[in-house]
Amino acid sequence: NAGVTQTPKFRILKIGQSMTLQCTQDMNHNYMYWYRQDPGMGLKLIYYSVGAGITDKGEVPNGYNVSRSTTEDFPLRLELAAPSQTSVYFCASTLRGTSGKLGQFFGPGTRLTVL
Amino acid sequence: TQLLEQSPQFLSIQEGENLTVYCNSSSVFSSLQWYRQEPGEGPVLLVTVVTGGEVKKLKRLTFQFGDARKDSSLHITAAQPGDTGLYLCAGPPPNSGYALNFGKGTSLLVTP
Repeated sequence: NAGVTQTPKFRILKIGQSMTLQCTQDMNHNYMYWYRQDPGMGLKLIYYSVGAGITDKGEVPNGYNVSRSTTEDFPLRLELAAPSQTSVYFCASTLRGTSGKLGQFFGPGTRLTVL
Repeated sequence: TQLLEQSPQFLSIQEGENLTVYCNSSSVFSSLQWYRQEPGEGPVLLVTVVTGGEVKKLKRLTFQFGDARKDSSLHITAAQPGDTGLYLCAGPPPNSGYALNFGKGTSLLVTP
């Protein structure tokens, strides 16, 4: 199993450009998450999904959109990139109801810079 | 939001030294988790503690959950350069089957 994979690993965007961060998991996990991590600020939840076709906002959703058409894939869309979206983005997954016991499985991250 | 405060924020020690890092909250958690994040990678789960007063050992790492389930500590014995990384604690907020609240982490550097 590859676990959670993310592409691209690095990206530089200009202000106002758009892009999609890809996330795929092969563990048949129903819950998936997008976090952003800024230096010294911990992990902030952007969006999450409890299954295909179901998504909901986390703590910091503004400026982002998600979709979940399959169990495996959970892409994150940035429509109009802003410098405040410069960050490292992590996708994670887990089985329903097991976050508190088995933890979440994280991808390697996408480092995004908006100039 | 149930806050998790981690201390110290940064720690730089030499190989062979012992250290303890802390994770504190004013709220009760049903469980707490510790993750280690190496540079350029995502966090990886080290351990979950569930019962107040519980102690778990993972080789040279000892994890303890406070009796009141509001705090946790991670003790590393004879630190090695391979222990370098960001240590994050996390816990599920009440009545949430999906979320984890994360602390800001302790950044540990172990030099040879």
